[in-house]
Amino acid sequence: AQSVTQLGSHVSVSEGALVLLRCNYSSSVPPYLFWYVQYPNQGLQLLLKYTTGATLVKGINGFEAEFKKSETSFHLTKPSAHMSDAAEYFCAVSEGGNTGKLIFGQGTTLQVKP
Amino acid sequence: GAVVSQHPSRVICKSGTSVKIECRSLDFQATTMFWYRQFPKQSLMLMATSNEGSKATYEQGVEKDKFLINHASLTLSTLTVTSAHPEDSSFYICSAVAAGNQPQHFGDGTRLSIL
Repeated sequence: AQSVTQLGSHVSVSEGALVLLRCNYSSSVPPYLFWYVQYPNQGLQLLLKYTTGATLVKGINGFEAEFKKSETSFHLTKPSAHMSDAAEYFCAVSEGGNTGKLIFGQGTTLQVKP
Repeated sequence: GAVVSQHPSRVICKSGTSVKIECRSLDFQATTMFWYRQFPKQSLMLMATSNEGSKATYEQGVEKDKFLINHASLTLSTLTVTSAHPEDSSFYICSAVAAGNQPQHFGDGTRLSIL
């Protein structure tokens, strides 16, 4: 069975500092991996996804993530945090490609301090 | 880009009432729609997978008679919470997928509060 673990339910960084949100997954087949962002009382917005090919994936708003098969990780990074990055971030895995059902991690709340 | 509209955004009703939530794909045809439930400060839990013209597939532990799903067209799926009770209060989110191995696009969610 597939699963996702996000290390750290709450991450706090200063504005301009590096953002690192950790995600480890478990999957019996080559996974599709996703990062979503959720603002209060809203749905989810796709930040980026890994399917196949290049392991470093660039997304919207300056975020990127690197798929490391040996570490079963898909950590999300951004070089310089902005106040508007404060939100809830979810890592998700799918064994059914893009259209398969998603299994989400428990989420990480990113706080950005001025 | 692909837009998914969910309505209503918020509903407050009395215990015992049935509530219908709509999920529409506005600019694409959704072969599959998913329904999720999210409790405060928690992750999304998949409730069911809905394919147009066929019965929904429910996840283990989700009562299909309690949460009725209808996917009558390629642009609309509905979730009806029947005889809702306070424990059904939650944030319900839908997502829709177009054909061609596209990613899921999410609606903005419905905050359901049962008094």
